[in-house]
Parts: sequence; C-alpha cells; structure tokens
Amino acid sequence: AQSVTQLDSQVPVFEEAPVELRCNYSSSVSVYLFWYVQYPNQGLQLLLKYLSGSTLVESINGFEAEFNKSQTSFHLRKPSVHISDTAEYFCAVRLAGFQKLVFGTGTRLLVSP
Amino acid sequence: KAGVTQTPRYLIKTRGQQVTLSCSPISGHRSVSWYQQTPGQGLQFLFEYFSETQRNKGNFPGRFSGRQFSNSRSEMNVSTLELGDSALYLCASSLPSEGYEQYFGPGTRLTVT
Repeated sequence: AQSVTQLDSQVPVFEEAPVELRCNYSSSVSVYLFWYVQYPNQGLQLLLKYLSGSTLVESINGFEAEFNKSQTSFHLRKPSVHISDTAEYFCAVRLAGFQKLVFGTGTRLLVSP
Repeated sequence: KAGVTQTPRYLIKTRGQQVTLSCSPISGHRSVSWYQQTPGQGLQFLFEYFSETQRNKGNFPGRFSGRQFSNSRSEMNVSTLELGDSALYLCASSLPSEGYEQYFGPGTRLTVT
C-alpha cells in the first residue's frame, strides 16, 4: 500500500522568504506524485505533478518540486513567498492505472508580512 | 470550460437520516472520484466511477454508496448518518487517459447533528 508523510503540519514564514514543504512517500511500485493547494472553503487545486521525465517540475506561480527516487521524496519549494500563498498544501501519490489519490495530512503555510 | 460543480454546498442533517450529494464533472470527463475530508482523518478516498461502473472503492462502510449516470454525473449517498460523517465531501473528475490529473469541485460541507 502507498502512504504519504508530510512531517510539518504548519510552516510559518515571512513574506518574500524562501520555503520548503516536505513530502515523503512509501510505495513498492512506481507512483505518480502531486501537490495540491487548498484555500479556505474551497476544493483542491493542482499545483504540479510528476509523472515521468525530468525530476524537477515547476508550476506557473513560482513553486517547484523535485522528485528524488532514492530518498522517496517530493519536496515543494518556492524561492520567495507572497501573502497570497497562505493555504494548506497536500502531497499525494497515485498508482499508474488507478485514479485513487493517497494524500498526506497536509501542511498549512502561513505567510506573514 | 465550466469546472466541477457540487450541490448542495452546505447541508445539515440529523443522526439516522440519509443524504444524497451530487457532482457534475467537467464536460468530457468520464471518471468521477469522491473523497471525504475531516480534521481527524484528513483526505480519504471513497470510490471512483467510470462509465457508470464503480472501479475502485476505499475502506468505508456500506452506508456509503454511489452511482454514476450516463452523462457522467455522479451521486453519493450516505444512509443512517452518524455524527462522524460530518465532513467536507469532495468530488473530482478526470479524463480516462493515463497521467491525466483530477480536477476537484468546491465540495459539500455536511454537518450531522
């Protein structure tokens, strides 16, 4: 069975500072990896995904994540955060051929001025 | 293109009652998945429907059921509601092609009193 660990439940950071949200996964077979963001009272929005190919994936709003197979990690980074990045971030895995997403417990990113 | 829509957005029910939630996927999407989100258990997969057939099911009791119609719209039913069923229920739709991401709706907030 697959599992996802997000060790940090909450990450406070000042505006314009860099941030890293950690995600580790466990699976005996190859998986697809995703980061979703959830703003208050909203559903989940896909931030970025890793399916294959380049291990570094980027989103249109400045986030990036790097797939590290040896460390089974898929950490999310942003070099300079904005107040508007305040939200909850979920890392998720999915087996090839299945739609079921297995989510981590989420990391609440709190950006203050 | 319109996103995933879920109705109703908010619902209050009493213990022992039953409830039906509705999800309309993005046009052309034939796979619909349901997730339950609670503060204690996080995001958990309920089931997935594709072409009116349940393809995958999570670890939930039989009180949780669903169906999908020929137009890909899906409904989820919970019978004999319990207090612990209070949650945000999220629906996600996807194309049936491998690697295609899931798009989430805003969710239905169910409160059981």
